[in-house]
Amino acid sequence: QKEVEQDPGPLSVPEGAIVSLNCTYSNSAFQYFMWYRQYSRKGPELLMYTYSSGNKEDGRFTAQVDKSSKYISLFIRDSQPSDSATYLCAVNPHGLGGYEKVTFGTGTKLQVIP
Amino acid sequence: SQTIHQWPATLVQPVGSPLSLECTVEGTSNPNLYWYRQAAGRGLQLLFYSVGIGQISSEVPQNLSASRPQDRQFILSSKKLLLSDSGFYLCAWSVSDRTGGATTEAFFGQGTRLTVV
Repeated sequence: QKEVEQDPGPLSVPEGAIVSLNCTYSNSAFQYFMWYRQYSRKGPELLMYTYSSGNKEDGRFTAQVDKSSKYISLFIRDSQPSDSATYLCAVNPHGLGGYEKVTFGTGTKLQVIP
Repeated sequence: SQTIHQWPATLVQPVGSPLSLECTVEGTSNPNLYWYRQAAGRGLQLLFYSVGIGQISSEVPQNLSASRPQDRQFILSSKKLLLSDSGFYLCAWSVSDRTGGATTEAFFGQGTRLTVV
C-alpha cells in the first residue's frame, strides 16, 4: 500500500464550480499536510498546509484534514480557468524535520472549463 | 528575495551519453537542497538531498549521482544515461525547522524535461 493515495483524474469542471480534491494516507504518524499546485511544465508551489486535524481557509481555498479516517481534502470555491493545474497532496511526520521526509501523492489534474 | 535557477528546461540525450543538470539558489545561505524526479502516475520521487557542502544523501540507488561543490549549487549527473532516466527533474531548496517541527515548504525550480533516445 502506498503511503499517500491520490486520484490522478483528470477532473474537468465548469467555471464557478466547487472542486473537491482528496487524498488518503496510511501512516498515522503524519502530522503536517500540504497541498501544492503545479502548472504544466513548471515546478510545484505550496498552496497551503495544515497541522493535525481541522480546516484552514485561504481565499477560495480550504484545506481539511480528518485524522480519524486518514483523509485530506482541498476545496476550491468559484473555480477559475487559472486554477487549471495538477494538485499534489503531501504529508510529513512531526518532529523529524527535514523536507526529505515529505511524501507526495501522485497528483490530480484539474481542468476548469470557461 | 530567494530564487532558484535550474537549467536547461528541456534536454534530449542519446542512450549512453553523460548528463549534467545544474541548480543554483540565490538569496539564502546554507539551504537544504533536493533533486526529485517526477514521472507520470508516480508523483515526486526524491533522488538526492544535501544539508551542506559535500554532504549528499541518496534515497534511491540508480544510475545517477549528485554533488554539491558550493553552498548554493547542486548538480545531478550521470556517466551513461539509460532510457529509463527519462523524466521531469526538479531541484528544490528548503530551510530546516530547528524547533522540532517538520519542514512544510520547499521552493522548486522550473524543472528539466529529459528525454533519453
